[in-house]
Amino acid sequence: GAVVSQHPSWVICKSGTSVKIECRSLDFQATTMFWYRQFPKKSLMLMATSNEGSKATYEQGVEKDKFLINHASLTLSTLTVTSAHPEDSSFYICSARLAGGWDNEQFFGPGTRLTVL
Amino acid sequence: AQSVTQLGSHVSVSEGALVLLRCNYSSSVPPYLFWYVQYPNQGLQLLLKYTTGATLVKGINGFEAEFKKSETSFHLTKPSAHMSDAAEYFCAVSEDRDDKIIFGKGTRLHILP
Repeated sequence: GAVVSQHPSWVICKSGTSVKIECRSLDFQATTMFWYRQFPKKSLMLMATSNEGSKATYEQGVEKDKFLINHASLTLSTLTVTSAHPEDSSFYICSARLAGGWDNEQFFGPGTRLTVL
Repeated sequence: AQSVTQLGSHVSVSEGALVLLRCNYSSSVPPYLFWYVQYPNQGLQLLLKYTTGATLVKGINGFEAEFKKSETSFHLTKPSAHMSDAAEYFCAVSEDRDDKIIFGKGTRLHILP
């Protein structure tokens, strides 16, 4: 149980285009999902916390207009990278926290590799 | 604010030898502590977690970690390394069941034949 999927697993796009990444909790409900960015050989940087039915909370330094997050249901959150540029190329990972969970365990998706040309 | 320090960005051990990955945390309240493993181009998998209770926590794949409040540490160990243990390991902390999780910078574990 507690499986999180991401789609697509990788995407290549041209500079200036927008890319949407989906994060789904397949067998549980998640009131809260998290979006991380991971640079090569680096740790995970929390970008934003996504709560179902409300606006996302962005970490300091993350442009909310560039990284649009929508958490439309208890099983789906989306991250849209708008007007992507080469510096946005990275590995994006989402995680989901079990609704009603008591120990703050997050379940991670397999990640999405974004390459902006 | 909470933080995590992982000593050693790279650790190499021989197959069959003891694995010790160090993690120290900073937290103003009793922490929730986690160890995650990441294989190349994959997401993170939880190895083990400490919330309350017994300070020695056993996880998957033979790993365990001990919460030492006096040392603010949560080191990860495994008695005998296996080639399949080669991966990136992240220690993480949160201060509350609803708080965000902060990750350390990670330790790459290399297993020598």
